[in-house]
Amino acid sequence: DVKVTQSSRYLVKRTGEKVFLECVQDMDHENMFWYRQDPGLGLRLIYFSYDVKMKEKGDIPEGYSVSREKKERFSLILESASTNQTSMYLCASGVWPPDTQYFGPGTRLTVL
Amino acid sequence: AQSVAQPEDQVNVAEGNPLTVKCTYSVSGNPYLFWYVQYPNRGLQFLLKYITGDNLVKGSYGFEAEFNKSQTSFHLKKPSALVSDSALYFCAVRPPSGGSYIPTFGRGTSLIVHP
Repeated sequence: DVKVTQSSRYLVKRTGEKVFLECVQDMDHENMFWYRQDPGLGLRLIYFSYDVKMKEKGDIPEGYSVSREKKERFSLILESASTNQTSMYLCASGVWPPDTQYFGPGTRLTVL
Repeated sequence: AQSVAQPEDQVNVAEGNPLTVKCTYSVSGNPYLFWYVQYPNRGLQFLLKYITGDNLVKGSYGFEAEFNKSQTSFHLKKPSALVSDSALYFCAVRPPSGGSYIPTFGRGTSLIVHP
C-alpha cells in the first residue's frame, strides 16, 4: 500500500513564526502536492512538484514556499505564519501525469 | 479552465436507502474524473475514477459512479447506504492533455446516513 506520512497531526504556532510541514511518500512517485482545506472551500492547491528540485505554484501560493530536495520528501514552509493560515494542510503524491492521488492524514495548523 | 461543482453541501439519507452525491464538471476534451472520500480527521481516500470505457464505474466500498457526457455529470451512487458511509465526499476533474494536468477538486459534499 502507498503510504504518505505527514510530520504532525496537530500543530500550534504563534504569529510570525516560521513553520515547516513535512511530507514523505514511499512509492517513488514523481508528483507531490500541498493542499489547504477549509470548510466550504474544499481543497485548494498551494504548490506542487513534478520532480526533485522542481516546483510549480498552485492556486494560492502567497505566504508559502516549498522544498523538494529528495524525491520522497516535500516540505511546505510558512515563512511568517499568520492567523489566516490556520487550516488543515494535506499532502498528496502520485504518478505523472497526475492520475490517482494518495493523501496523507493531514496536519491541522492553528496560528495564534 | 476546468471546474467542478458539487451542488449540495450536505446529503441526508436513511440507512438502507440508495444514495446519490452529485457532481458536474467543465473541462476541455474528454475528462479524467475522480471521487474521493474523507472520514473525520483523516486524509482523502481514492474511491473510483473514470478515464474511458464503460460509463458506469465501480469502486471501493460498494460505490459506483455514472459518467454522463451530455450532462457533464459524474454522480456517485450506492444502492444501500450504511451509517459508516457518513463522510465528506470530493469530486475531481482533470483534462486529458495540455496544461499542467493538475486535478481540480469540488468543494465537497457531506453525506450523513441516519440509522
